[in-house]
Amino acid sequence: SQQGEEDPQALSIQEGENATMNCSYKTSINNLQWYRQNSGRGLVHLILIRSNEREKHSGRLRVTLDTSKKSSSLLITASRAADTASYFCATDEPRTYKYIFGTGTRLKVLA
Amino acid sequence: DAGVIQSPRHEVTEMGQEVTLRCKPISGHDYLFWYRQTMMRGLELLIYFNNNVPIDDSGMPEDRFSAKMPNASFSTLKIQPSEPRDSAVYFCASSFGRARGNTIYFGEGSWLTVV
Repeated sequence: SQQGEEDPQALSIQEGENATMNCSYKTSINNLQWYRQNSGRGLVHLILIRSNEREKHSGRLRVTLDTSKKSSSLLITASRAADTASYFCATDEPRTYKYIFGTGTRLKVLA
Repeated sequence: DAGVIQSPRHEVTEMGQEVTLRCKPISGHDYLFWYRQTMMRGLELLIYFNNNVPIDDSGMPEDRFSAKMPNASFSTLKIQPSEPRDSAVYFCASSFGRARGNTIYFGEGSWLTVV
């Protein structure tokens, strides 16, 4: 299975701290995306990084991709209570548009 | 745009009953996905369509599940007969595809409880 595995499964930090979560996957990819899910809601796209990119920034988000290790990390800087959510990585199987989501990291930011 | 619209938002049904979940994708999107989310198995891709044609249904758990997309603005996921283990949140999502970006837009989900 292509499914990504995020770690840690759960993370609890204080407001203002940085949060880092990791994703590992199994086969080659075209790109990797990160999504956020608030409790009881659908997933919302955060950022996409292509297989030929190593790092990407968007606001307080920083994503890295290491295709040799088949892993990615999502860093949220200066976290806020509103960042409390689950975060998922999603990868696409080559030559398809089949996006498989990882197991997710539950982030809790304490005010 | 109103986003991906799913109905019903919540459904409680008895084992053995037929369940039909509905989805209206974002206008113009080429791809439509059905995912199922449970605590035990996470987010599973059940089936996806491209231009109304099913491309990959390898994630459909068994013959009790079927999905259709009769036109570009409507899709259904049907479970017949339903079983308690089908209880989950079912998400519909749509996308333009790689040519116009890869972002997948999710609906708010249909929360299904089979008792």
